[in-house]
Amino acid sequence: DQQVKQNSPSLSVQEGRISILNCDYTNSMFDYFLWYKKYPAEGPTFLISISSIKDKNEDGRFTVFLNKSAKHLSLHIVPSQPGDSAVYFCAASGNTGFQKLVFGTGTRLLVSP
Amino acid sequence: EPEVTQTPSHQVTQMGQEVILRCVPISNHLYFYWYRQILGQKVEFLVSFYNNEISEKSEIFDDQFSVERPDGSNFTLKIRSTKLEDSAMYFCASSEEASGSTDTQYFGPGTRLTVL
Repeated sequence: DQQVKQNSPSLSVQEGRISILNCDYTNSMFDYFLWYKKYPAEGPTFLISISSIKDKNEDGRFTVFLNKSAKHLSLHIVPSQPGDSAVYFCAASGNTGFQKLVFGTGTRLLVSP
Repeated sequence: EPEVTQTPSHQVTQMGQEVILRCVPISNHLYFYWYRQILGQKVEFLVSFYNNEISEKSEIFDDQFSVERPDGSNFTLKIRSTKLEDSAMYFCASSEEASGSTDTQYFGPGTRLTVL
């Protein structure tokens, strides 16, 4: 049951460039989307979120775009920094009461100096 | 900044033994969750908890699992008789609300459970 998919297992970007991480979902009941960053042996750290009533949310270097018709969201990091190297998870929750998160499989981002 | 804490960071146990994983959610949060991540797999929802009762659980959360909020600060996950396949990272999370923009779930650092 892959309701949330991250089709790129890894991404390599040079420092200063833009990183674009993609996520697709299949469940039209999802209405809240989040990106988490995770280092090895640590818990997911919340980065940024977006509600389905918006198509863009920006926080510093991080911008999340949501295309509801395509059931697609993306996370843009600009400029990328070596400290951004981590695994990035897309997660979604639905408007059905208590909000369990459904996670994607993650994309490992490597930002090289 | 408030954070979710979990103890222990690593628990090794023998198959068939009971384990209790402990979490202290963020103090003003009302909704609590357990997730797990088996090595190399995605983070999976186990259970959500609100107002001293389970609000939702996954099919993973069978009769071997239970959760409890024994006091005003701790939230525990008990596995009654551990199996080899219970080996995973277990993450506790909490949120202020369950819907809308304040339902962002904040995760603890995890407990690595190793069942031998």
